[in-house]
Amino acid sequence: GENVEQHPSTLSVQEGDSAVIKCTYSDSASNYFPWYKQELGKGPQLIIDIRSNVGEKKDQRIAVTLNKTAKHFSLHITETQPEDSAVYFCAPNTGTASKLTFGTGTRLQVTL
Amino acid sequence: DTGVSQDPRHKITKRGQNVTFRCDPISEHNRLYWYRQTLGQGPEFLTYFQNEAQLEKSRLLSDRFSAERPKGSFSTLEIQRTEQGDSAMYLCASSLVAGHFYNEQFFGPGTRLTVL
Repeated sequence: GENVEQHPSTLSVQEGDSAVIKCTYSDSASNYFPWYKQELGKGPQLIIDIRSNVGEKKDQRIAVTLNKTAKHFSLHITETQPEDSAVYFCAPNTGTASKLTFGTGTRLQVTL
Repeated sequence: DTGVSQDPRHKITKRGQNVTFRCDPISEHNRLYWYRQTLGQGPEFLTYFQNEAQLEKSRLLSDRFSAERPKGSFSTLEIQRTEQGDSAMYLCASSLVAGHFYNEQFFGPGTRLTVL
């Protein structure tokens, strides 16, 4: 099965700084790369995803970049705000997969 | 509200009791998934339905667990003879898979189970 790792496991940044979280996966057949944000006591929320025919995708302050050759993709958050504080999970998978295999999670803390 | 809903949000039970959770997916989503999440971990897949058919079950789903989706709409997850190790957040997700290749799953708020 898919082996998924995220780095770092915790990240603390000051408000306004950028944050980058990297996800490394093992299954070369993976072609769909979503990022989820989970706030305390809530379910994961899909915030951005990318498909293997695209190298980068941006949505306002968040972006995802994909390096399929190296089998990793990254979440970039610019101009961080306190409400960005949460746990972020990647879940690379093949588009036809039934289940998502989640990464180990990254706890982002944005301090004032 | 057009998102995935789950009921109850919290459940406290004593060891050995049975519990049942309900999930209402986004309308018209044909796939429904159950995941379990323990503290500090990512969600782990339990099972999924396409319409009313249960197509895959994880090894995590012991014989004390049963899930149904009788009419292809809402789903229930029942745990019989609960154990303390069953304490976790139970998450439901849904997606629309209709010939296209990518499987965007949308999650509900979860049901937090505490077994005393």
